[in-house]
Amino acid sequence: GAVVSQHPSRVICKSGTSVKIECRSLDFQATTMFWYRQFPKQSLMLMATSNEGSKATYEQGVEKDKFLINHASLTLSTLTVTSAHPEDSSFYICSARPIAGPSTDTQYFGPGTRLTVL
Amino acid sequence: QKEVEQDPGPLSVPEGAIVSLNCTYSNSAFQYFMWYRQYSRKGPELLMYTYSSGNKEDGRFTAQVDKSSKYISLFIRDSQPSDSATYLCAMSVYGGATNKLIFGTGTLLAVQP
Repeated sequence: GAVVSQHPSRVICKSGTSVKIECRSLDFQATTMFWYRQFPKQSLMLMATSNEGSKATYEQGVEKDKFLINHASLTLSTLTVTSAHPEDSSFYICSARPIAGPSTDTQYFGPGTRLTVL
Repeated sequence: QKEVEQDPGPLSVPEGAIVSLNCTYSNSAFQYFMWYRQYSRKGPELLMYTYSSGNKEDGRFTAQVDKSSKYISLFIRDSQPSDSATYLCAMSVYGGATNKLIFGTGTLLAVQP
């Protein structure tokens, strides 16, 4: 149980294009999903908290117009990197917090999406 | 001072050894503690979570929390090469509006066959 998927797992795009990453909780519902960014050999950096049916809350320093987040249902959140540039190349990971059950205070992570912007 | 401190390692041990991974924290409001394992180029995998002081055991893994000292540990018994990964401690304030996790920087563990 508690499986989170991400799609695509890897994407290469040209500078200036937009890329959408999907995060799905497969066997549980999640009112809250989180988006992280991770640079090589570094820990996870929280970008934003996504709540179903409302606007995402962005961490300080994260451009909300560049990283668009939509949380349309209790099992799906999307992150769109708009007008991507090489400095946006990174490993993007989502997580989801279960809406019910014994572990509503923890988060289950997706496998990550590696974005490379040429 | 960072809210959560974790020795980055790398830590190299022989197969079968007992491994001790540790984190300290400064925020006494943290109530919920987790350990994640992350293999290279993969998302973190939840290993253990606890919200009380003391020990919690799950197979070869034991999570220990000492709230008075603001110190948590993860012990791995009979370590295996497949345990080679980065281990991240994480914690949150129970009942917070968003329950954001605060992560340590991760400890890279290598178990040598």
